[in-house]
Amino acid sequence: QKEVEQDPGPLSVPEGAIVSLNCTYSNSAFQYFMWYRQYSRKGPELLMYTYSSGNKEDGRFTAQVDKSSKYISLFIRDSQPSDSATYLCAMRKGGSEKLVFGKGMKLTVNP
Amino acid sequence: DGGITQSPKYLFRKEGQNVTLSCEQNLNHDAMYWYRQDPGQGLRLIYYSQIVNDFQKGDIAEGYSVSREKKESFPLTVTSAQKNPTAFYLCASGDEMGGLSMQPQHFGDGTRLSIL
Repeated sequence: QKEVEQDPGPLSVPEGAIVSLNCTYSNSAFQYFMWYRQYSRKGPELLMYTYSSGNKEDGRFTAQVDKSSKYISLFIRDSQPSDSATYLCAMRKGGSEKLVFGKGMKLTVNP
Repeated sequence: DGGITQSPKYLFRKEGQNVTLSCEQNLNHDAMYWYRQDPGQGLRLIYYSQIVNDFQKGDIAEGYSVSREKKESFPLTVTSAQKNPTAFYLCASGDEMGGLSMQPQHFGDGTRLSIL
């Protein structure tokens, strides 16, 4: 079983939809959880960064971590065509600099 | 502007040739990383360096080499021993302080390497 699993999609939604992106993981030592957005031919940019369980909101984006279920989510409200990108989850253990990434989910928001 | 600069954007390698990818950061970060991204496989760690003159192998180091002579610079050499080098290469930096910091990694815009 891979340490981090992410459905690679692709996912296509109409503009204005609520999008839910998810990752599961197997290692309970992960403590720091990140979502990166990557546009085509560009490097990943950090979108959300959370520590341990709970929710974090930033504008239209909400990151959720459920450590008991080993499950993290990113919700995008009122999705826009500019949200069309690949979304990567990443996580790391406390005391380690090494990030473990999901495979990335390609999202297309249609106008 | 603070950031990570990778060059060149596109690079072509001939059979038996070594090529070097450049990565420079002006974020004053101690740690730097090289990842390889292939379609459908996410990012895989090649090498990382926590401090000048020190670096460690990642998960897929075979066929690659690095150096860290300056804090700002972490070049990656793709050697002829790397038989499948075609990929998107990403450099990142961070200030994780041995994993104790909350600070995340930041990425450059990548170099796409192809075989001629």
